Amino acid sequence: DTEVTQTPKHLVMGMTNKKSLKCEQHMGHRAMYWYKQKAKKPPELMFVYSYEKLSINESVPSRFSPECPNSSLLNLHLHALQPEDSALYLCASKHTGTGGYNEQFFGPGTRLTVL
Amino acid sequence: DQQVKQNSPSLSVQEGRISILNCDYTNSMFDYFLWYKKYPAEGPTFLISISSIKDKNEDGRFTVFLNKSAKHLSLHIVPSQPGDSAVYFCAARLTLIQGAQKLVFGQGTRLTINP
Repeated sequence: DTEVTQTPKHLVMGMTNKKSLKCEQHMGHRAMYWYKQKAKKPPELMFVYSYEKLSINESVPSRFSPECPNSSLLNLHLHALQPEDSALYLCASKHTGTGGYNEQFFGPGTRLTVL
Repeated sequence: DQQVKQNSPSLSVQEGRISILNCDYTNSMFDYFLWYKKYPAEGPTFLISISSIKDKNEDGRFTVFLNKSAKHLSLHIVPSQPGDSAVYFCAARLTLIQGAQKLVFGQGTRLTINP
């Protein structure tokens, strides 16, 4: 299994809703990432988890709350979002061992629309 | 402060010819460089990478060149095929003090291969 899966593919939510994005990988990768990508812009890093611990938070507003319940699963909990948070949310994972494993594997993303 | 720049938003190449995509960076602490390809509604797919201590890496039709003194890298695709039409992102890896790593992406170049 060499893929990162993300659910849902599309999500529409109101500003008062609470929702969660889910990411899963079974490649044994112990580093997992959340990125946000706006239209015609590059992916921007939000969070990094290493061995299930949060290692990087790129000053993301608290209305985004990441969670890594186990080594295969990464969640992003959303609450009280703003319309400008509408974007493609990408999950990625990466091998943490030595030996040239440098690339991150990306999921297909969740297209989020906040009304 | 855009640390990784792809100055050409788009590039059009005839099938069978060489495609050259360029990327410039400003941070000398980047230790790895990667190229990703992205189709609409999909996550980025890893193509090829190069360590900052190398100046060339080749994989099939894809070759990446790194000019460290100029802080410039390029991706060569030869021969170009219609299936290569996509958005190409250059990414640079930064290893932080605590060992965590992050990727910084360029703006992307939309490559179109014409039959």
